[in-house]
Amino acid sequence: GQNIDQPTEMTATEGAIVQINCTYQTSGFNGLFWYQQHAGEAPTFLSYNVLDGLEEKGRFSSFLSRSKGYSYLLLKELQMKDSASYLCARLGNNNDMRFGAGTRLTVKP
Amino acid sequence: EPEVTQTPSHQVTQMGQEVILRCVPISNHLYFYWYRQILGQKVEFLVSFYNNEISEKSEIFDDQFSVERPDGSNFTLKIRSTKLEDSAMYFCASRAPLGGRAPGELFFGEGSRLTVL
Repeated sequence: GQNIDQPTEMTATEGAIVQINCTYQTSGFNGLFWYQQHAGEAPTFLSYNVLDGLEEKGRFSSFLSRSKGYSYLLLKELQMKDSASYLCARLGNNNDMRFGAGTRLTVKP
Repeated sequence: EPEVTQTPSHQVTQMGQEVILRCVPISNHLYFYWYRQILGQKVEFLVSFYNNEISEKSEIFDDQFSVERPDGSNFTLKIRSTKLEDSAMYFCASRAPLGGRAPGELFFGEGSRLTVL
């Protein structure tokens, strides 16, 4: 299967930290990517992990545990403009990049 | 900055008609994709394409769908006989291989909105 699971919605406060979790099927795994999508727009790349551990990129970090089929995206110092959907995507062995249903994040003042 | 371009941005068609959506991927990318997103729903994988052939397709990508790379720059998605449920935003994307300087992330076009009446 290609199940990629992430929470449907999350709410956080401006300036806070939020962690968005993602679990995925481990067989045939080649990489885990995170994208941001604002309503009516195409997804844009945020971060990726191929090996276990934490990748930091400014306010955004992503973590991967391949043995557990688990990743998270960490957003620090939240801003109102961070309100968007965050999509977890798994790259498979046949070059297929499949997306989870997305987590809709609402940042409140 | 190089970008993926898609045409048309919006197409309205009658049920049963053929539709061709066009994409120009980033020139040095090797992997090409089509996705669709029905309004308010998830980004659904349709097909991946590498080395002039389909490398993977989803259960959505049935005999009504086909892809072509007719020349060195264009990548097209054809829907032979559109149905009402084909109404969606269709995104084309391309990526470089993993490794090297680029992480191999997808670059998306702005999408082609298909409305089937």
